Amino acid sequence: EPEVTQTPSHQVTQMGQEVILRCVPISNHLYFYWYRQILGQKVEFLVSFYNNEISEKSEIFDDQFSVERPDGSNFTLKIRSTKLEDSAMYFCASSERDRGFYSNQPQHFGDGTRLSIL
Amino acid sequence: AQSVTQLGSHVSVSEGALVLLRCNYSSSVPPYLFWYVQYPNQGLQLLLKYTSAATLVKGINGFEAEFKKSETSFHLTKPSAHMSDAAEYFCAVNFGNEKLTFGTGTRLTIIP
Repeated sequence: EPEVTQTPSHQVTQMGQEVILRCVPISNHLYFYWYRQILGQKVEFLVSFYNNEISEKSEIFDDQFSVERPDGSNFTLKIRSTKLEDSAMYFCASSERDRGFYSNQPQHFGDGTRLSIL
Repeated sequence: AQSVTQLGSHVSVSEGALVLLRCNYSSSVPPYLFWYVQYPNQGLQLLLKYTSAATLVKGINGFEAEFKKSETSFHLTKPSAHMSDAAEYFCAVNFGNEKLTFGTGTRLTIIP
């Protein structure tokens, strides 16, 4: 069964450094997402991406964050200047939702990247 | 306000007993509802989804959930718990936009 893959599984970075988290969504999916889960808290939406642009973002997704689909397979999340509070598990997801009505298609998640900021 | 509530952050059941994990929502639009499971050190795996067809939805691993509009609930059940069911379970809702809103999760422990 096709799956979403994320690399690396664990990233340790010094505060203030830039970090890029990578994802390969399921190949025929058109919609891509990033979520995060701070330890002990619930999974929170960060951003959704369709047709090479952000379609929705949360208040968490400030100017320090950016997303990109640099080629036909990868989807990346960049944090420009990391803070201690960015430490979390970051999940990438993809779906094959049809536009025009809101989503009844499930989002398929990767195993996550655990980001630790020192 | 649109929200998702999972009652019980921890649930323990004996092996072979009924599993019941609760999820309630508050929504001004017809929601789409999902249950995901997270095993240790793994991602979120889809268990089942409700998308306005049948109100009783069957998922993987013997789980099912029933959508009750009058009670704004989507509780997850399994008739007989297995040791392999030990995991964290998340209810998630699409309220008519791009994102999934997750509940706080319920950690299920199976007692041998």
